[in-house]
Amino acid sequence: TQLLEQSPQFLSIQEGENLTVYCNSSSVFSSLQWYRQEPGEGPVLLVTVVTGGEVKKLKRLTFQFGDARKDSSLHITAAQPGDTGLYLCAGAPTSGTYKYIFGTGTRLKVLA
Amino acid sequence: SAVISQKPSRDICQRGTSLTIQCQVDSQVTMMFWYRQQPGQSLTLIATANQGSEATYESGFVIDKFPISRPNLTFSTLTVSNMSPEDSSIYLCSVAGTSGSDTQYFGPGTRLTVL
Repeated sequence: TQLLEQSPQFLSIQEGENLTVYCNSSSVFSSLQWYRQEPGEGPVLLVTVVTGGEVKKLKRLTFQFGDARKDSSLHITAAQPGDTGLYLCAGAPTSGTYKYIFGTGTRLKVLA
Repeated sequence: SAVISQKPSRDICQRGTSLTIQCQVDSQVTMMFWYRQQPGQSLTLIATANQGSEATYESGFVIDKFPISRPNLTFSTLTVSNMSPEDSSIYLCSVAGTSGSDTQYFGPGTRLTVL
């Protein structure tokens, strides 16, 4: 069974701080997605990474896919209260599949 | 992109009853999925809703407990049958395969509480 472990599970930081969330597995994924979910909403896709070693930036968010495509990280620079939410990574075991395995989640709270 | 609506948005139900959740998409999609998200936790895939045929269930989920229908490319229902408090959860519909994209879009979820 393929698992995606995220760390940390919970994170509470002050506005302006930087943070990194990790998504790790012993399995290889053809692609990996990061989502953010706010209370009462469904997850919203932030980014998809496909190539080992790939780095993508979305404003203050930097996403990296590990060289071996088994892990990924999300780095947020100068966090803001609007970044508060549940961050989920999701991996596709094979290319062309729409079925993703979701990570265990990281709940982030940014205090003003 | 795809706009997904779910009904009801939330419900409180008695043990032993059943609830049917509807998922409507504003465009035709290739794939529709149903997920469960227990409070504060990640998403677990229940099944893939197949148009015109029986849904494909993941390990640990069975048709008798979670019957699913998908009569066309824009609509699906999930029924939670013979409910118990352990079924209290958020149930999410998601779709993929809109306009050639493999992006997965999620509905707002249905928050179910079973007493």
